[in-house]
Amino acid sequence: QQQVKQSPQSLIVQKGGISIINCAYENTAFDYFPWYQQFPGKGPALLIAIRPDVSEKKEGRFTISFNKSAKQFSLHIMDSQPGDSATYFCAASRESYNTDKLIFGTGTRLQVFP
Amino acid sequence: NAGVTQTPKFRILKIGQSMTLQCTQDMNHNYMYWYRQDPGMGLKLIYYSVGAGITDKGEVPNGYNVSRSTTEDFPLRLELAAPSQTSVYFCASRRTEAFFGQGTRLTVV
Repeated sequence: QQQVKQSPQSLIVQKGGISIINCAYENTAFDYFPWYQQFPGKGPALLIAIRPDVSEKKEGRFTISFNKSAKQFSLHIMDSQPGDSATYFCAASRESYNTDKLIFGTGTRLQVFP
Repeated sequence: NAGVTQTPKFRILKIGQSMTLQCTQDMNHNYMYWYRQDPGMGLKLIYYSVGAGITDKGEVPNGYNVSRSTTEDFPLRLELAAPSQTSVYFCASRRTEAFFGQGTRLTVV
């Protein structure tokens, strides 16, 4: 119940295209869903996050879509650029619990070709 | 702003040796975490802490120990290193957003 399942494992997109990464969870107590971006040799960094009281959040070219009934959320990268090439992790946690853990998906390696 | 600082950045250990990975944060965050990342894999939680004096096991705690005597520091101890512990280790702290260190690349030979 603590798992977050992420797909695809890898993704190749042409410059200007749309990149879509999907995540699914089982624990309905999760109430915070961030996406992290990791470049080679660096630690992950927060990209965008959503809470289950909204179905979509957009920041620039990055959008999270959230489907509470299906227990799924996805990251959409519009107008993908070579500089977006990185590994992306979804995650989930229970903010309302004092002993929450941040559980990560297995990651998606995105390559954007010019 | 230093954020989360990990030392060392790289280390090679022989089988059976011990070492401590250091992690310190200057953001006064209560929550701190240790993850390991194997090649092509996700982040596996080793140990976490919700405040000074409180630690708990994550998904893969075997072979590791932690302590949290201060809010700032959360060292990870490897006793009797094994080749299976070859990995990149990340420390993180958070209030809501998690901030990660740059990682420690450990090779056990």
